Amino acid sequence: GIQVEQSPPDLILQEGANSTLRCNFSDSVNNLQWFHQNPWGQLINLFYIPSGTKQNGRLSATTVATERYSLLYISSSQTTDSGVYFCAADTNAGKSTFGDGTTLTVKP
Amino acid sequence: GAVVSQHPSWVICKSGTSVKIECRSLDFQATTMFWYRQFPKQSLMLMATSNEGSKATYEQGVEKDKFLINHASLTLSTLTVTSAHPEDSSFYICSARVKGLNTEAFFGQGTRLTVV
Repeated sequence: GIQVEQSPPDLILQEGANSTLRCNFSDSVNNLQWFHQNPWGQLINLFYIPSGTKQNGRLSATTVATERYSLLYISSSQTTDSGVYFCAADTNAGKSTFGDGTTLTVKP
Repeated sequence: GAVVSQHPSWVICKSGTSVKIECRSLDFQATTMFWYRQFPKQSLMLMATSNEGSKATYEQGVEKDKFLINHASLTLSTLTVTSAHPEDSSFYICSARVKGLNTEAFFGQGTRLTVV
């Protein structure tokens, strides 16, 4: 099946800093999504982005499907951005394969 | 966006008992729903694909007799953990897609199961 790798595994930032999270996938994908898992475990859907670029406030994402990677940009980070960020990709039958996540800690 | 509701949010049960978790798509029909399990500080792992009106498809290594899945309608799938043991303690999350495969997946809020 498809392999999904995220980097870095851990990231510590000072409030106000910018960051880039990366997601590499081993095969062509039908769907690519980015999620933020909050401390209570709830998955917050950030972007549905099988290709192209999208922006939502301080967050933006770019997927280059031909090169099999996606990037999540966080600008002017806030302490509330802390948590685990997952990307998930699927190729067939709608099953999502998740990466191992990036744990982001934003310090005040 | 579409809403997927999962119930209960958390449950504590005794070893040997069974627990049922519900996953509902509130404002759309989902012919296919998916069940995931997440152990602490790990990623989400797909357990099974739930198809409305047919048997679920389980991933390798997932015991179908222990994790019973029923998808009785286009808006409801249930996961029953039978004869639960402490090692079944985990975070269980469901997802659903609007009919059609190349669409966004919407996730429930998850159920934290603790077996004592």
